[in-house]
Amino acid sequence: EIVLTQSPGTLSLSPGERVTLSCRASQSVSSGYVAWYQQKPGQAPRLLIYGASSRATGIPDRFSGSGSGTDFTLTISRLEPEDFAVYYCQQYGSSPITFGQGTRLEIK
Amino acid sequence: QVQLQESGPGLVKPSQTLSLTCTVSGGSISRGGYYWSWIRQHPGKGLEWIGYIYYRGSTYYNPSLKSRVTISLDTSKNQFSLKLSSVTAADTAVYYCARDSATVAADYWGQGTLVTVSS
Repeated sequence: EIVLTQSPGTLSLSPGERVTLSCRASQSVSSGYVAWYQQKPGQAPRLLIYGASSRATGIPDRFSGSGSGTDFTLTISRLEPEDFAVYYCQQYGSSPITFGQGTRLEIK
Repeated sequence: QVQLQESGPGLVKPSQTLSLTCTVSGGSISRGGYYWSWIRQHPGKGLEWIGYIYYRGSTYYNPSLKSRVTISLDTSKNQFSLKLSSVTAADTAVYYCARDSATVAADYWGQGTLVTVSS
């Protein structure tokens, strides 16, 4: 099983700032099959990025993903008030599918 | 626009079987290329993949739950279902259904349903 470790656990930032979230895998993720999700309280996760760097339909271009092998990142170029949420990475290249423990973005 | 909706009892007694159904609208579950997934989230915790069923009926389960999980398709109703047997309080969680693909991950999710295991 591939273990995903996200860092940091919590980030306190202000709107307008740039942020990079990290996701490290315990072994190489097949074909770069890493996704990023955003989850707000009481809501289902929302797909942001798939295949490490492809934006899902309707996702603003301030969200970008990169990485390969075992190290992946999600960058939000300029934080909007609606971006404060919990972010999860997921690997779906090998079974079982696994998720990171999440990074919480808080308003400073 | 594909939509998914979970349904089923919100309260299950310990040792019984948890049964949930996901109704899909806006697209056929028989359409090739998609996996139909169940994912759960314990209160205040992260996400756990339970398993999925391919449109042709083959299934893949998380090894940690495999002995207790069954996922099935009902193409006539455009639904898929989850059964989790011998539940305990540790199975209390919000259960989500989702549409998955091998390349795009889970792009459509249901709103989730809270299932509490308690006597």
